[in-house]
Amino acid sequence: GAGVSQSPSNKVTEKGKDVELRCDPISGHTALYWYRQSLGQGLEFLIYFQGNSAPDKSGLPSDRFSAERTGGSVSTLTIQRTQQEDSAVYLCASSFAGTTNEKLFFGSGTQLSVL
Amino acid sequence: GNSVTQMEGPVTLSEEAFLTINCTYTATGYPSLFWYVQYPGEGLQLLLKATKADDKGSNKGFEATYRKETTSFHLEKGSVQVSDSAVYFCALIPFSGNTPLVFGKGTRLSVIA
Repeated sequence: GAGVSQSPSNKVTEKGKDVELRCDPISGHTALYWYRQSLGQGLEFLIYFQGNSAPDKSGLPSDRFSAERTGGSVSTLTIQRTQQEDSAVYLCASSFAGTTNEKLFFGSGTQLSVL
Repeated sequence: GNSVTQMEGPVTLSEEAFLTINCTYTATGYPSLFWYVQYPGEGLQLLLKATKADDKGSNKGFEATYRKETTSFHLEKGSVQVSDSAVYFCALIPFSGNTPLVFGKGTRLSVIA
C-alpha cells in the first residue's frame, strides 16, 4: 500500500479481554515500531523490529503486552487481560532500514478503549 | 537518560501571528533532533530535522535551529495559517542510533481566522 495501515481504527473492549492490533508497514521497509499515545503523556515507545534481529522490547510496560512480526512484514501487538489504563492510541511506524536520522512513516493508529 | 521537554499547550493564535514552540532535550552525546506534526485525523509525519549543532531544519515555512549550548530545538514560523492547526512533537534520536525516537508530549496548536 501507499502508507502504513493499521486495523482496527477503533477498538472497544471489556476489562480482562485480550485484544490484537495489526500493522501493515510500507512495502520494503525493514524497521517497524510500536508507540502508545496517551492523553497528556506524549508518545511512549513500546517495541522495535529491525529485519531479522531480535526485537527491542524495552518499552513494553508489562508482560501482558507482546508483539510479533511475521515474515518481516505485518506485525501484531497483543494485549492480554486488558486494563483500563491500557486505553490509548496505539501507533505503528515503519522506516526503510531503521538507521539513525531516518524518517519514520506513521499509521493513523488504533484507538483502544477498555471499559 | 534521553528525554524531550516541550511547552505545554494548547496554543491558540490568530492567523498570520508568529509561532514559537519551545523544545529542550537531555541526551548523552549529540543527538539528532526532529519535529513531527500530526494533523487532525492523520498519522504523524516528519516536519523537519537537524543532525548536528547549529544546523537549521526548515519545511513549509517552519524552522528550528539545533542549539547545543542551550540544548534546544525551538520551532518557529513567521506567519501561521489555519491549516497549521495540529499537534507538534519534538523528538530525538541519541547519537548511538540504537534507540528509537524519543518524543516529547506534544503541543496542540489552534490557529483561528
